Amino acid sequence: AQSVTQLDSHVSVSEGTPVLLRCNYSSSYSPSLFWYVQHPNKGLQLLLKYTSAATLVKGINGFEAEFKKSETSFHLTKPSAHMSDAAEYFCVVTRRAFTGGGNKLTFGTGTQLKVEL
Amino acid sequence: KAGVTQTPRYLIKTRGQQVTLSCSPISGHRSVSWYQQTPGQGLQFLFEYFSETQRNKGNFPGRFSGRQFSNSRSEMNVSTLELGDSALYLCASSLGRESYGYTFGSGTRLTVV
Repeated sequence: AQSVTQLDSHVSVSEGTPVLLRCNYSSSYSPSLFWYVQHPNKGLQLLLKYTSAATLVKGINGFEAEFKKSETSFHLTKPSAHMSDAAEYFCVVTRRAFTGGGNKLTFGTGTQLKVEL
Repeated sequence: KAGVTQTPRYLIKTRGQQVTLSCSPISGHRSVSWYQQTPGQGLQFLFEYFSETQRNKGNFPGRFSGRQFSNSRSEMNVSTLELGDSALYLCASSLGRESYGYTFGSGTRLTVV
C-alpha cells in the first residue's frame, strides 16, 4: 500500500522569494517519487523524479527535491519564485522497480501555488 | 518527438449514454495508464495496459473499461454514464517501468448532463 500527503493545500509567495511545497509519503515498498505540475486546463508536466541513487534531485525550471527516507518526505523547493510558477503541484508515489503485475501512481491532493508581485 | 495525444479534448454526453476516449502514446512507449481527475476525489488510477494486456486496475465499477491495440494506442469506454462521471480523464504513456517516468496527455474533459 502507498499514500501521499501534501501538507498544504494552498501556498502563497511573493515573486523572487523561495518556494517550499511539502510532501510526506507512506509505502510498503521502496518508493519512486515524482513531482508534477498542472497549469489551468492543461495536463500534467513532470518536474522531477526520484527513482534511486542521488537523494537530491534537480528538475526543470529551477525546482529540486530531496528524498529523506528517515522523515518519509520529498519536499519540493525553488530558490526564487516566478509568476509563471503559479499552478497546482502534485506529489506522486509509486513502487520502485516493480516489474510484476503493473504499477500505478498514487497522487497527493495537490498544492495550489500562488505567486504575487 | 510527438507527445501523448488524447481525443477528443472536450465531450458533452447525456446520462445513460456511453463514451469512448482515445489515447495515442509516445512512439515506442508500450504502457498506457488512465486517470480520472475530479475536484472532490482528486486524481485516481483507473487502469494500465502494457502490450495489449491490462496489468493493473483501480477501484472503479465495471462500467469503466479499456483496451489497447497492437500499435499501443488505447481506448477507454464508460457505459451508462452518470453525472458523477464528469471529470478530466488523463492518460499517461511510459516505456513500462516507473524509472523512465510517465508523460501525460492534455486530457479529455467529459461533462455528463
